[in-house]
Amino acid sequence: SQTIHQWPATLVQPVGSPLSLECTVEGTSNPNLYWYRQAAGRGLQLLFYSVGIGQISSEVPQNLSASRPQDRQFILSSKKLLLSDSGFYLCAWSPTGRGRETQYFGPGTRLLVL
Amino acid sequence: AQKITQTQPGMFVQEKEAVTLDCTYDTSDQSYGLFWYKQPSSGEMIFLIYQGSYDEQNATEGRYSLNFQKARKSANLVISASQLGDSAMYFCAMREVYNQGGKLIFGQGTELSVKP
Repeated sequence: SQTIHQWPATLVQPVGSPLSLECTVEGTSNPNLYWYRQAAGRGLQLLFYSVGIGQISSEVPQNLSASRPQDRQFILSSKKLLLSDSGFYLCAWSPTGRGRETQYFGPGTRLLVL
Repeated sequence: AQKITQTQPGMFVQEKEAVTLDCTYDTSDQSYGLFWYKQPSSGEMIFLIYQGSYDEQNATEGRYSLNFQKARKSANLVISASQLGDSAMYFCAMREVYNQGGKLIFGQGTELSVKP
């Protein structure tokens, strides 16, 4: 069966520091991968998605970036964090295809920027 | 533009009763999918149920059913026989079939509280 991992689970970082969040998927190959952010009490906002190694699409212009160095690894990064980057970051995967494919989410990373 | 609207920020239901969570959507595409997710306080997003725009029957998964009314563009989630463990945030989401990458658009969520 497929599993998705995210780490760290929680992170407290000072403003201006770098960020690296990692997501890995097991038990599947060539998945679509996604990074979402959820502000407190709000819905999810898609940040990046990837349909293959090295292929990244950005949905929201910001100081975050994403990379996919391996088929089942998705990394969210920042060179300098802002206070507004605080939130709950969720990684998700889905099988490739169109329409009916469900996205399955990881456990998330809670980021607090101080 | 795609949009998902959940008009109920919070709902209360008595244990063992049924509850309906509202979701309306807006899209110009004919082919799309609708999803419901549950988010307990731990934060994980749990997939509950899926409905395709061309599916003739309403989707059901155990105690969850989706009341799909295409002409009204609504996709309400019905939870039968509520349990205390159903207390959580519930999100409706939509995916247009031909959008590259299959991104989901989420509503703002409904917080469900089940009373004993």
